[in-house]
Amino acid sequence: GQNIDQPTEMTATEGAIVQINCTYQTSGFNGLFWYQQHAGEAPTFLSYNVLDGLEEKGRFSSFLSRSKGYSYLLLKELQMKDSASYLCAGANTGGFKTIFGAGTRLFVKA
Amino acid sequence: DAMVIQNPRYQVTQFGKPVTLSCSQTLNHNVMYWYQQKSSQAPKLLFHYYDKDFNNEADTPDNFQSRRPNTSFCFLDIRSPGLGDAAMYLCATSRVSGGAGETQYFGPGTRLLVL
Repeated sequence: GQNIDQPTEMTATEGAIVQINCTYQTSGFNGLFWYQQHAGEAPTFLSYNVLDGLEEKGRFSSFLSRSKGYSYLLLKELQMKDSASYLCAGANTGGFKTIFGAGTRLFVKA
Repeated sequence: DAMVIQNPRYQVTQFGKPVTLSCSQTLNHNVMYWYQQKSSQAPKLLFHYYDKDFNNEADTPDNFQSRRPNTSFCFLDIRSPGLGDAAMYLCATSRVSGGAGETQYFGPGTRLLVL
């Protein structure tokens, strides 16, 4: 089967660091995406990992462990505008299908 | 700027009255997708086109149809909307790079309300 699990909600303080975890089970795994989605808006691409390890991109970093079926998104120096849903999504080989998780709603408080 | 455009942003229809949602793209991407997203849920893939090849998801109701007359445009037709079809409908595109997972570029979505 194919399944993406991530926490429903998280709260963190402005300026802090937060880690959003994701576990996945997908057939024909071909990498893992993180998307950001503000309320009422479309998802926007944040990162893509296909190899194990950490990819850093400014304040955002994403980690993948293929053997553990595990990924996380790390957000540093949190800002109020980072309040959004963060969707973990698994890409499949042999096609263009991406399986999305339900998203983790992050609330950043002052 | 190259982008994915969806019109309208909000659509109100009556129970059972056919409705069409539109999507256009200036990215010249091969693949176009339609997703349905309900509140606090994952986007659910309804179907996708790879060029003119139509790929329907097994659990997409027959009530939902799609057309792609050319590379730039794709339409979602809901033949007889029910109350359960009220949702955000997201159009997305991706290019064919081969091998890697394909990043999807989303339009702003159309929020459908069924009365």
